[in-house]
Amino acid sequence: GNSVTQMEGPVTLSEEAFLTINCTYTATGYPSLFWYVQYPGEGLQLLLKATKADDKGSNKGFEATYRKETTSFHLEKGSVQVSDSAVYFCALSDLSSGGSNYKLTFGKGTLLTVNP
Amino acid sequence: DGGITQSPKYLFRKEGQNVTLSCEQNLNHDAMYWYRQDPGQGLRLIYYSQIVNDFQKGDIAEGYSVSREKKESFPLTVTSAQKNPTAFYLCASSIQGTNSPLHFGNGTRLTVT
Repeated sequence: GNSVTQMEGPVTLSEEAFLTINCTYTATGYPSLFWYVQYPGEGLQLLLKATKADDKGSNKGFEATYRKETTSFHLEKGSVQVSDSAVYFCALSDLSSGGSNYKLTFGKGTLLTVNP
Repeated sequence: DGGITQSPKYLFRKEGQNVTLSCEQNLNHDAMYWYRQDPGQGLRLIYYSQIVNDFQKGDIAEGYSVSREKKESFPLTVTSAQKNPTAFYLCASSIQGTNSPLHFGNGTRLTVT
């Protein structure tokens, strides 16, 4: 079956530091990959996505590149802000067994805290 | 603005009582989902529905029930059979049959004592 593994947190950084959150996946098909962000007390929001190998998703200064050869989709940001403090989820979407519906599989989430 | 509304934000119940969590969307999405979130465990799928009057069990459906009588609404009932009901519950929707991202509500935090 499909699975997503992301680095365990929590991750604590100072403002303007470089961020990397690792994400690797296993999938039987050709998945699309996503990063979602969850701010305290809220639901998840889509941060960025990539639908095929070598695609780069980007949004709000965050980037992630779909690497099929290493089955990875690491999240990066060059200079984090206090407002980036949140939980980040890596996820993949692939056709479920039977091939009729797409199923989303989430990683366990990584808590990021950015201090001023 | 289109979106997903979950209510209430906080819910408290006594053990042994059934409780229903509301989820309404005005995005015209066919597919709707319920997830449970526990600390350190990520999101686990409870139930999902692709179309009105049809739904399927997810990975942790035991102790839960749903209905889908209208496209806009997908309520979740946490029954007294659910052994550990205290959790954060998230409802989501998406365009059916595509690889589109999920849109999430802001969640309901259920506490059962």
